[in-house]
Amino acid sequence: GENVEQHPSTLSVQEGDSAVIKCTYSDSASNYFPWYKQELGKGPQLIIDIRSNVGEKKDQRIAVTLNKTAKHFSLHITETQPEDSAVYFCAASTGGGSYIPTFGRGTSLIVHP
Amino acid sequence: GAGVSQSPSNKVTEKGKDVELRCDPISGHTALYWYRQSLGQGLEFLIYFQGNSAPDKSGLPSDRFSAERTGGSVSTLTIQRTQQEDSAVYLCASSPPRLAGRYEQYFGPGTRLTVT
Repeated sequence: GENVEQHPSTLSVQEGDSAVIKCTYSDSASNYFPWYKQELGKGPQLIIDIRSNVGEKKDQRIAVTLNKTAKHFSLHITETQPEDSAVYFCAASTGGGSYIPTFGRGTSLIVHP
Repeated sequence: GAGVSQSPSNKVTEKGKDVELRCDPISGHTALYWYRQSLGQGLEFLIYFQGNSAPDKSGLPSDRFSAERTGGSVSTLTIQRTQQEDSAVYLCASSPPRLAGRYEQYFGPGTRLTVT
């Protein structure tokens, strides 16, 4: 089955700096890669996703890049703000009829004012 | 529109008792998932429903755990003879129909279960 590794487990940055979280996956058939943000006491919320036919996707201060050959994808957050502090999860799946994503173990991002 | 809702938000129970956790998915979402999240940990997959059927129950940790979904909507996760190691946040998520070519999951706020 699919295996997703996520690094780092904790990331501490100063407000205004950039943050990068990296994930690798094992199943070359995976074709959908979402990122979720989980704030304290809440369920995860989708913030951005990318499909295997696209190499990069941006949405304001966040972007995701995908390298299919190397089987890794990354989340980039620019101009970080204290409200970006949360746990971020990456996931990978093969899509299809029985879509069950495999999640990374999460990255705790702390943005210091 | 309304998101995924879960009830209760918190549940404290004594070891050995049975508990039922409820999930109301977004209307029209055909897929429904249950996950368990222990303190500071990642998401542990429990079970997946497509409509009312559960093609994948591989994540249920023991036969004390069961789940059902009726009418293609509400789902109930039941834990029998609860143990202290069952203490965790139980998250439910739903997804739009595959025909729409969408795979994103919408999570509820979770039920925090504490077994004393």
